[in-house]
Amino acid sequence: AQRVTQPEKLLSVFKGAPVELKCNYSYSGSPELFWYVQYSRQRLQLLLRHISRESIKGFTADLNKGETSFHLKKPFAQEEDSAMYYCALSNFGNEKLTFGTGTRLTIIP
Amino acid sequence: EPEVTQTPSHQVTQMGQEVILRCVPISNHLYFYWYRQILGQKVEFLVSFYNNEISEKSEIFDDQFSVERPDGSNFTLKIRSTKLEDSAMYFCASSRGEGTEAFFGQGTRLTVV
Repeated sequence: AQRVTQPEKLLSVFKGAPVELKCNYSYSGSPELFWYVQYSRQRLQLLLRHISRESIKGFTADLNKGETSFHLKKPFAQEEDSAMYYCALSNFGNEKLTFGTGTRLTIIP
Repeated sequence: EPEVTQTPSHQVTQMGQEVILRCVPISNHLYFYWYRQILGQKVEFLVSFYNNEISEKSEIFDDQFSVERPDGSNFTLKIRSTKLEDSAMYFCASSRGEGTEAFFGQGTRLTVV
């Protein structure tokens, strides 16, 4: 069974400090990993996916198959980064997303 | 920018009543999904729909649930006889095709009393 674990429900970071949101997964196939973000009063939206290897809004995430992790990182947090962040996975060719429980990130000014 | 639209934003219904949640996916998208999020819990997959039929469903999606694309633009989720535990935020999503980004609606909060 596929599973996504986000160990931190809440994370507070000072503005300008580095951010790391942890995500571990268990999956026996060939997973595709995503980070979704939900800003206050807005819809869930894709932040980034591992196959695109992009940096979006300063965030990056590297898929580590050995550690089965896909941690989200940003070197310098900004106030506008405060949001709910969800890690998710799907199987290639299968569109169903399995979500983690989410981490609420609060950036302290 | 095109968006997935869900109506209503909030629905209150009595236990045992039927409820229909409506979604208008992005117009050139081919894959459609329903997810739900019970308060304080994770977003859970319910069902995916492609080519006018269900392509996958979860164990949550039992006989009380059904989906339909009645007119080529709307995508509906029907709960036949609601239970208290159906209270949740329901999200519709759509995507263009395999391996492409899923776009989510703003959600419908269903409260069963």
